[in-house]
Amino acid sequence: SQQGEEDPQALSIQEGENATMNCSYKTSINNLQWYRQNSGRGLVHLILIRSNEREKHSGRLRVTLDTSKKSSSLLITASRAADTASYFCATDKKNQKVTFGIGTKLQVIP
Amino acid sequence: GAGVSQSPSNKVTEKGKDVELRCDPISGHTALYWYRQSLGQGLEFLIYFQGNSAPDKSGLPSDRFSAERTGGSVSTLTIQRTQQEDSAVYLCASSLALQGALNYGYTFGSGTRLTVV
Repeated sequence: SQQGEEDPQALSIQEGENATMNCSYKTSINNLQWYRQNSGRGLVHLILIRSNEREKHSGRLRVTLDTSKKSSSLLITASRAADTASYFCATDKKNQKVTFGIGTKLQVIP
Repeated sequence: GAGVSQSPSNKVTEKGKDVELRCDPISGHTALYWYRQSLGQGLEFLIYFQGNSAPDKSGLPSDRFSAERTGGSVSTLTIQRTQQEDSAVYLCASSLALQGALNYGYTFGSGTRLTVV
């Protein structure tokens, strides 16, 4: 089974609102990454948070990691229509393959 | 090139034919992954190459699927006797050795959209 599972599976918001997506995983990890995918093609790396970090920011993105709950959240503030995409979390254990969740489809309505 | 290059970008093949998909990783990247993504679905891990280590083939769905990586660079994913359920986007990703992935994540190609008719 996939290590990371995102929820919700789909999210629709108005432009300007904040979008929050969550990711849960089952086993201990080295780091957790969030990716964006447009139009069903390549993924773009957004942000990586290590297991010893609790929060990380990059522009309008804020990622939190709670290792006790084995969960992470991705917050996109002041959303834009261009943020419409699928968002995936990926978990990484040392010397083991990266595994992805099934993603959250975000729609930002102008 | 500056990114991960995959070819062809689109491939339509008849059921039963063999296909080869190519991935050109970023120069110097020692880790290379192949994933498959069916329409509207998440990424399904297929195979992972890391340097000179034996590849992790645990995600290959059947013995019709194979992959190789020559000279630690270009990788080819081969699907023999294609079936309609093989239709998907096949994505390749690469990174520097493990430490690079820990710092920078993986760089994905744009994928090959395979349609088996």
